[in-house]
Amino acid sequence: KAGVTQTPRYLIKTRGQQVTLSCSPISGHRSVSWYQQTPGQGLQFLFEYFSETQRNKGNFPGRFSGRQFSNSRSEMNVSTLELGDSALYLCASSLEQNYNEKLFFGSGTQLSVL
Amino acid sequence: GENVEQHPSTLSVQEGDSAVIKCTYSDSASNYFPWYKQELGKGPQLIIDIRSNVGEKKDQRIAVTLNKTAKHFSLHITETQPEDSAVYFCADSGYSTLTFGKGTMLLVSP
Repeated sequence: KAGVTQTPRYLIKTRGQQVTLSCSPISGHRSVSWYQQTPGQGLQFLFEYFSETQRNKGNFPGRFSGRQFSNSRSEMNVSTLELGDSALYLCASSLEQNYNEKLFFGSGTQLSVL
Repeated sequence: GENVEQHPSTLSVQEGDSAVIKCTYSDSASNYFPWYKQELGKGPQLIIDIRSNVGEKKDQRIAVTLNKTAKHFSLHITETQPEDSAVYFCADSGYSTLTFGKGTMLLVSP
């Protein structure tokens, strides 16, 4: 069974631009969560989707948004990029009813904002 | 969870030794405590988890203990091997989001 796939693997953008990251969950997993990982703040929850609905959202500004499609694939978008948005963005999928349990993470998209 | 403190931030051991990583949480509603291992260039991988109604869980060389009264839980790795070298994260979850500790870099020397 294929794991969680995230594309692209690396991305370089400049301040003010916007970016879209993609995530394909494990087949059969309907819950997709997004996390931001930085050396200073560690792993921080962005949001979670289940059956195309956002069920929970972390403490991030509205520039961070996401969506989920009917095939469970998910995208997250960051608009008006800031230098502080440079991070590894991780997507995780879960088969569990509780979206916090037994997460399977992708390898992430490393975003650099110049 | 609300806040998770993880110690130590780095841990160096010799191959064959045991390693212990400790976490403390603050949210009384937390009832699920997973541990993740992250190797270089990869995403975190779940290695073991425990629920609040269980005090200890073991899976081969890995074990987790939970003390609800003191609000702390620990990861124990016995007979460490070089391939155990990675960053380990604890986390807790109650009724809302999963909160991660800052991580422990474990280095196992041959």
